[in-house]
Amino acid sequence: EVQLVESGGGLVQPGGSLRLSCAASGFTFSSYWMTWVRQAPGKGLEWVANIMQDGSEKYYVDSVKGRFTISRDNAKNSLYLQMNSLRAEDTAVYYCVGAPNRYYFDYWGQGILVTVSS
Amino acid sequence: DIQLTQSPSSVSASVGDRVTITCRASQDISRTLAWYRQIPGKAPNLLIYEASSLRIGVPSRFSGSGSGTDFTLTISSLQPEDFATYHCQQSNVSPLTFGGGTRVEIK
Repeated sequence: EVQLVESGGGLVQPGGSLRLSCAASGFTFSSYWMTWVRQAPGKGLEWVANIMQDGSEKYYVDSVKGRFTISRDNAKNSLYLQMNSLRAEDTAVYYCVGAPNRYYFDYWGQGILVTVSS
Repeated sequence: DIQLTQSPSSVSASVGDRVTITCRASQDISRTLAWYRQIPGKAPNLLIYEASSLRIGVPSRFSGSGSGTDFTLTISSLQPEDFATYHCQQSNVSPLTFGGGTRVEIK
């Protein structure tokens, strides 16, 4: 059974940092593109960043470029999102997502809430 | 960025009803469109990709059509688990973008 389990969320003040982690199991992690998608409370979905199977290519939505860094450790079947200079508008549920390509999103975690507030 | 506009934003229907949701892209995206179902409190689930390809394991009551700028998701006979929010997503141009969602509610 495919499982993606996010951790590391919580409440952080504006300007602060947080590191999200995602532990993957049940599929060949190293063969999958991995993505972070977020959903602000009561809002739609927003693609945040994705990373190629070997980590050599990374892409970000403009609103997080220079503040967020996506990374992965294939030996640990883990995905990460380092979030710096957090803003109120980054408040959302963050989903860890896996897919065999970079275009569609097959496997989703349960999501983790990040709240940026003073 | 490519904008995706879904309509309606919400629809009320009964079990057994046929429901159609549309997604319009701000520019030609060929057939690079997917549909997801999101049950309240849960993560989204991929239903259809490449506009009309049914993901393995997804019930055949779901179907997709369209190309270019206009796309449709049809649920032929609504089931209790289909009362949810549906999202379209394009993959033709980066950044990948989603529509605003269509909520299917119980009448």
